[in-house]
Amino acid sequence: QKEVEQNSGPLSVPEGAIASLNCTYSDRGSQSFFWYRQYSGKSPELIMSIYSNGDKEDGRFTAQLNKASQYVSLLIRDSQPSDSATYLCAVNSPLAARQLTFGSGTQLTVLP
Amino acid sequence: KAGVTQTPRYLIKTRGQQVTLSCSPISGHRSVSWYQQTPGQGLQFLFEYFSETQRNKGNFPGRFSGRQFSNSRSEMNVSTLELGDSALYLCASSFEQNTEAFFGQGTRLTVV
Repeated sequence: QKEVEQNSGPLSVPEGAIASLNCTYSDRGSQSFFWYRQYSGKSPELIMSIYSNGDKEDGRFTAQLNKASQYVSLLIRDSQPSDSATYLCAVNSPLAARQLTFGSGTQLTVLP
Repeated sequence: KAGVTQTPRYLIKTRGQQVTLSCSPISGHRSVSWYQQTPGQGLQFLFEYFSETQRNKGNFPGRFSGRQFSNSRSEMNVSTLELGDSALYLCASSFEQNTEAFFGQGTRLTVV
């Protein structure tokens, strides 16, 4: 079983819709959860971090964390074509806080 | 604040050679982590340095090594290059434990 799993996609949504990206993780001791956006040919860019159960909103982005279910999600409201990218879920190691394990990413395409 | 700076951006090396990559973290960040990104394996943790000490190491052969200097700049070295070492090498810096990691632009290494 992979430590961090994401729905691999690709995921296509029309412009203005809500894009929902999901991630599950295997290690219950993980404390820090991150979403990165990576455009083709570029490096990952941190867009959200979440540490506590519940929702965290930042502009059009909402991260949701449920530690009991070992589940993290990212919602993108009012999706724009510029949101088209690969979204990577990252989870820290309980034994090495700055060691991140990444999912394989979900490729999102927002159709104009 | 300047971001994470990696040099060089691109490298082409021959099998059997060695290579050194450099990373300057965000000012004030003392933690530097290195990751390898390939299409097949995704983003994988190589190692992390904090205050000039290697704190964690991923599951990579001993040909991969690194170090950190007193100004927090870090280098990673790969000896006896193999074709499979062709990848995007990413450096990330963090301020302290359990906080966000910010990536540099990466070094694209091609081994021929």
